[in-house]
Amino acid sequence: SYVLTQPPSVSVAPGQTARITCGGNNIGSKSVHWYQQKPGQAPVLVVYDDSDRPSGIPERFSGSNSGNTATLTISRVEAGDEADYYCQVWDSSSDFLDVVFGGGTKLTVL
Amino acid sequence: QVQLVESGGGLVKPGGSLRLSCAASGFTFSDYYMSWIRQAPGKGLEWVSYISSSGSTIYYADSVKGRFTISRDNAKNSLYLQMNSLRAEDTAVYYCARVGGSYRTFDYWGQGTLVTVSS
Repeated sequence: SYVLTQPPSVSVAPGQTARITCGGNNIGSKSVHWYQQKPGQAPVLVVYDDSDRPSGIPERFSGSNSGNTATLTISRVEAGDEADYYCQVWDSSSDFLDVVFGGGTKLTVL
Repeated sequence: QVQLVESGGGLVKPGGSLRLSCAASGFTFSDYYMSWIRQAPGKGLEWVSYISSSGSTIYYADSVKGRFTISRDNAKNSLYLQMNSLRAEDTAVYYCARVGGSYRTFDYWGQGTLVTVSS
């Protein structure tokens, strides 16, 4: 089955740029979605199809995807961005469409 | 506005059963695939199952195949998850989520319901 690998944690100072990676075999050929989850809350979609933002998500959130790595970039990080972030793809390598989540990355704002 | 409200969670003994429900509102429920996703305490997200808009296509994660059954009632705008032969490792918050858009994102989530499997 397809595996997505994320770093367990990323730390960044307020106002700086955070980059959270999601590694997978030829992930550049897939459409990657990113979710933000704050403590005690349900996940929220922040980036879809590699780099698009749902309405209401700040422009500070952006994404890219190429080769074996997808990246979620958060510019001008704020304290309120502290959360767990998950990447997700649909994988068709088996006999059905499988849903795969990365293990999640805890973003700490210093 | 889109709302998804789960119910039915609770404490159950190993080997027991539980049925979760998800009440949907604010959108045309019968137009969308729906999914169950769970999160064990302190752990990441794990997809459990999804069902097509008509209910004709259903898939499960290997970890629950043969024990869990997803279903929907489009007339009642409701999604269900029948969970049998529960194990300690099924302990988690269970979220229902709408599968939206052409990119099949999980664009709306419920608040989750906690299932605890313990003797």
